[in-house]
This record gives sequence, C-alpha cells and structure tokens, in this order.
Amino acid sequence: DGGITQSPKYLFRKEGQNVTLSCEQNLNHDAMYWYRQDPGQGLRLIYYSQIVNDFQKGDIAEGYSVSREKKESFPLTVTSAQKNPTAFYLCASTLSGTSNTEAFFGQGTRLTVV
Amino acid sequence: DAKTTQPPSMDCAEGRAANLPCNHSTISGNEYVYWYRQIHSQGPQYIIHGLKNNETNEMASLIITEDRKSSTLILPHATLRDTAVYYCIAGNTPLVFGKGTRLSVIA
Repeated sequence: DGGITQSPKYLFRKEGQNVTLSCEQNLNHDAMYWYRQDPGQGLRLIYYSQIVNDFQKGDIAEGYSVSREKKESFPLTVTSAQKNPTAFYLCASTLSGTSNTEAFFGQGTRLTVV
Repeated sequence: DAKTTQPPSMDCAEGRAANLPCNHSTISGNEYVYWYRQIHSQGPQYIIHGLKNNETNEMASLIITEDRKSSTLILPHATLRDTAVYYCIAGNTPLVFGKGTRLSVIA
C-alpha cells in the first residue's frame, strides 16, 4: 500500500542529545514537509522540500535540520539547540509543491526529551 | 496564505448534518480552500478542497460563497467517528494550519 511512514512512534531522549526522526514515502511525491504540534495547538511548519536536494525553512526552523538526498526520504534532526523539543512531529507529502493537491500525513512521532 | 477564523468547538447530534463554518475574508484569487481533520494523536486526514465551485466527495461537501470570503464544510450524517479537530486552510502549499474546530458528535 502506498503511504507515508514515520518512525518511531514514540521517542525518548536526554536533554542535549541530537535525535533524528525518520519519514519515508512510497507515493512518488516530489514535495515533503515537517510540522510540529504542541498540545491544543495547530501544526507549525518546520521545513519543507519541493524537490530532491533542495529545502526551505518554515516558520520555526531554528534548532532543526533536514536533508533530502532521496525523493522518498526526508529525515528531520532535532538538535540540542532546540530549546523545547518535546512535541508531536508530523511529516507530510504532496505530489508537487504547487496547489490543488492533497497532502498525505504520516502518523507522527511523539518526542519526549527528559 | 489567508488568515482563517473558525469556531473553537461545536457539537452535533449523531445522524444529523454537521456544518462547520470558516471565514477567510483575505483569500486571494489563486488560493484554494482545504479542509483536513485530525483525530486525537493521529496525522491529519485530507477531506476536500476547492477553488470557486462547491465540491462534494464521499466524505463531505464544501460550500464556498460567491465572494469566496467564507466556506462551510458539511458532513451529511455525522457519526461518532467524525469526532475530531477540523482545520480550514485558505492558501497554497505549504499548508498553514490554525487551531481548527473541535467537533464533538454526541450519541
């Protein structure tokens, strides 16, 4: 089945450690996105990539880094510079970076930093 | 992206139509209206989108006013499984999410 997979579902890390969240899609989509969601809030855009080897910062990119070396993969690294990393992280993809297109979301990774 | 305004919460009786309003008075001519929903602790699910015309699919109907400044998502026969947060987005990719409307379907 085609879809977008995030792993792991739950992740625990100690403060000061970098951690990488995985996002893989087999939909042959060009564009991929990372969002962060805090309790009771909407989704906020961290980074997005409209094509392989290219990505742009979203509204809250500080303390995060991404890479897009393959079309199907868009990993997100939460660095120690991120002041409050505990959150629910969602990855999404669209066929292209233009409009009139449905976004598909993964089931999310809940990161807890202790 | 245009700013959207949605009521924070709504209730609907099971089996009745749920009508979720959204105001997007600053929408520009090439911006679409999208609706997504998010069931607790899951990724958002696409429902429907449109530009000018009303749209219908197996999940819902989208009614966009002629001036495109507001829209209504209609779930024709709400079930308990429709309880979720519903997000209205007016814009182009990447999508910008607000806080949405928490719809509670009551038996």
